[in-house]
Amino acid sequence: EAGVTQFPSHSVIEKGQTVTLRCDPISGHDNLYWYRRVMGKEIKFLLHFVKESKQDESGMPNNRFLAERTGGTYSTLKVQPAELEDSGVYFCASSQVASPSGNTIYFGEGSWLTVV
Amino acid sequence: GQSLEQPSEVTAVEGAIVQINCTYQTSGFYGLSWYQQHDGGAPTFLSYNALDGLEETGRFSSFLSRSDSYGYLLLQELQMKDSASYFCARGGNTPLVFGKGTRLSVIA
Repeated sequence: EAGVTQFPSHSVIEKGQTVTLRCDPISGHDNLYWYRRVMGKEIKFLLHFVKESKQDESGMPNNRFLAERTGGTYSTLKVQPAELEDSGVYFCASSQVASPSGNTIYFGEGSWLTVV
Repeated sequence: GQSLEQPSEVTAVEGAIVQINCTYQTSGFYGLSWYQQHDGGAPTFLSYNALDGLEETGRFSSFLSRSDSYGYLLLQELQMKDSASYFCARGGNTPLVFGKGTRLSVIA
């Protein structure tokens, strides 16, 4: 069974440009999460989808970030326009349960974003 | 609050034992998880405690004391490949909340 996959694995863009990150969750997982880790800091929660609906978007830093999950399958996270402080690793995770812990949540390998 | 505190860096010798501590705030707390992340890789699950006490999984063990709002990850017989970042994370009525991670360096 395929795990959580993310694309691209690495992206370098200039300040002011747009980047779209994609996440394909494990098949059958209704819950999809986006997290971000800025260098040396915690893995911070951004947003939680249940199927195509945004269950919790309290972690989204500002309106330059837009997440979608049309059809309840894959999700995209768009940053427009990108700023230097957006650099970091963006992790996607999925689970079958809404409040996962332990081994019930599965992470992708992350999309490394560098804004220059 | 829901923040967690853990040391930023730990260095230990190959073959030794190392303990990584984590303290957390109790609001909405269900349990404490531990994840390992190698550079460039995904966070991978190591251990989970919902109840007080010790959970052992091979070379890794995790401990929780709910009354002290404290837990730790114990790594035994350290190997070079254990060099990685280790995150404690609290589960609850909200999505997982992570600590800032502890960078473990295993030296020969």
